[in-house]
Amino acid sequence: AQSVTQPDIHITVSEGASLELRCNYSYGATPYLFWYVQSPGQGLQLLLKYFSGDTLVQGIKGFEAEFKRSQSSFNLRKPSVHWSDAAEYFCAVGDSSASKIIFGSGTRLSIRP
Amino acid sequence: EPEVTQTPSHQVTQMGQEVILRCVPISNHLYFYWYRQILGQKVEFLVSFYNNEISEKSEIFDDQFSVERPDGSNFTLKIRSTKLEDSAMYFCASTVGLAGGWEQFFGPGTRLTVL
Repeated sequence: AQSVTQPDIHITVSEGASLELRCNYSYGATPYLFWYVQSPGQGLQLLLKYFSGDTLVQGIKGFEAEFKRSQSSFNLRKPSVHWSDAAEYFCAVGDSSASKIIFGSGTRLSIRP
Repeated sequence: EPEVTQTPSHQVTQMGQEVILRCVPISNHLYFYWYRQILGQKVEFLVSFYNNEISEKSEIFDDQFSVERPDGSNFTLKIRSTKLEDSAMYFCASTVGLAGGWEQFFGPGTRLTVL
């Protein structure tokens, strides 16, 4: 069965510091991987996705993620965070059938001024 | 930019009542989904819908739930007899199709409160 693990429930980083949010997935075939961001009381916005090809993918708002098949990971990174990046971040996995997305439990990001 | 819309933004109902949550997916999209998020928890898949029938459903999506595409634009989720534990944010999503990969576009959600 597909599953996603986000081991960090809450992370606090200083504004301007670099960020890495961890994501590990379990899936038997080639996964389709996503990162979504959710601001308080808001919907889900897609940051980036990986389907195939280059394992380093660029997304919106300066985010990037790297797919590492050997580690079953898809970590999200940003070189310098801004206060507006404070939100909940969800990693998710799907497959080629487009039948559903399975979400991780999320990582809440706080920014220290 | 096209977007998924949902109405109402907040629905309050009494336990045992029927509710219908409405969604207008992006116009050229072919696959439709409902997810829910209980407060403070992760987003959970409920059901996917394609070609006027359910493609897949989770164990959460029991006989109390149903989905319908009553016309060419709306996609609805009905809960026949609401329970307290149905209180959650419900998200609709849609995707254009499978060719070249796919991504799901989410609506802003409907917050359902069951009293």
